[in-house]
Amino acid sequence: AQTVTQSQPEMSVQEAETVTLSCTYDTSESNYYLFWYKQPPSRQMILVIRQEAYKQQNATENRFSVNFQKAAKSFSLKISDSQLGDTAMYFCAFIQGAQKLVFGQGTRLTINP
Amino acid sequence: EAGVAQSPRYKIIEKRQSVAFWCNPISGHATLYWYQQILGQGPKLLIQFQNNGVVDDSQLPKDRFSAERLKGVDSTLKIQPAKLEDSAVYLCASSLGLAGGLAYEQYFGPGTRLTVT
Repeated sequence: AQTVTQSQPEMSVQEAETVTLSCTYDTSESNYYLFWYKQPPSRQMILVIRQEAYKQQNATENRFSVNFQKAAKSFSLKISDSQLGDTAMYFCAFIQGAQKLVFGQGTRLTINP
Repeated sequence: EAGVAQSPRYKIIEKRQSVAFWCNPISGHATLYWYQQILGQGPKLLIQFQNNGVVDDSQLPKDRFSAERLKGVDSTLKIQPAKLEDSAVYLCASSLGLAGGLAYEQYFGPGTRLTVT
């Protein structure tokens, strides 16, 4: 069974700093998709960034980028120039084929002014 | 484009009572998901529908939880009778379907926070 592990329950940085959230996963498959979701205190889960496992190039979305290490089964999220609005729970998630989306336990990120 | 709608946003009930949640997915999305998110944890899939049919309900406590998706659009999730441990946020999500690629991308509703006392 696929598992997703986020080893950092909480992180806190100052506004404008760069922060990296860690995620590792376990699978025996070679083709799958990875996601980072953001869940602010309002609860709406929002997709931040996605990565297809067959693509070697790391995905980027404005200030958000990933470091995808397929051999190491690692998928970290880097937030550059962090903003107060980035304060939220961040979930790493994995899906393969028609199987269900598996979430990690989440990292609570606080951006301090 | 309208997002996934859910109601109610909050519900407080006593144990052994019944409760129902409603979800309206994004128009055209064939796949609908119900998740349970206990405080401090990631969402856990309860049930997945593809159009009218159930794809996965392996983690749905079928003795007390039920769900239906009539006409392949709206869906309701019911708990009867509720237990204290059912206190959680219930999230609904939808996606285009199982065609592969970005069809897997799920869009989430705002959730319903259930408190069982």
